[in-house]
Amino acid sequence: ETGVTQTPRHLVMGMTNKKSLKCEQHLGHNAMYWYKQSAKKPLELMFVYSLEERVENNSVPSRFSPECPNSSHLFLHLHTLQPEDSALYLCASSQARGDQETQYFGPGTRLLVL
Amino acid sequence: GQNIDQPTEMTATEGAIVQINCTYQTSGFNGLFWYQQHAGEAPTFLSYNVLDGLEEKGRFSSFLSRSKGYSYLLLKELQMKDSASYLCAVRDSNYQLIWGAGTKLIIKP
Repeated sequence: ETGVTQTPRHLVMGMTNKKSLKCEQHLGHNAMYWYKQSAKKPLELMFVYSLEERVENNSVPSRFSPECPNSSHLFLHLHTLQPEDSALYLCASSQARGDQETQYFGPGTRLLVL
Repeated sequence: GQNIDQPTEMTATEGAIVQINCTYQTSGFNGLFWYQQHAGEAPTFLSYNVLDGLEEKGRFSSFLSRSKGYSYLLLKELQMKDSASYLCAVRDSNYQLIWGAGTKLIIKP
């Protein structure tokens, strides 16, 4: 595997379910990100982990809970979501304090909350 | 507040040239990125500008004017596969990426 991978690619869940999104990067980066992408809106940064420490949490509701067990893996745990949480969830990675710190994205998880 | 503006949608003809503009108002500036995103796929990195001027990469070029808070992405010899959304993002003084909503480019034969 190369680049950034995400599973599952599609997820349908009820408002009472608990599920987790997984992201894995194979680029040797030390920073990872969760974004929410809704139609016709800018990417919304949710969480940032740098060197496995959470350095950003942009007022995200507590029903979203990130976990970064090591620099290659990132999870987003979901529980009691709302229909407005339906969106594309993108994971990205970068080399923090690198030259450009370009972010490289995974293909995303398309989430539908019923 | 911080803001990135880019057109919502543009249409161009195969083989032609198209320019996608991006204007920004951010607290500080530490570089501007362009990404391409095909429907249902990941955004992929296209270009990075931190100094004024034009950066050319094959059929794609990106221009930056920091004094005007302005950038454009120029696509030459358009191909059908260039149909995608193009995202402009600016890194601010806190090293946060501020994203535009993207420009959907439609290429017609």
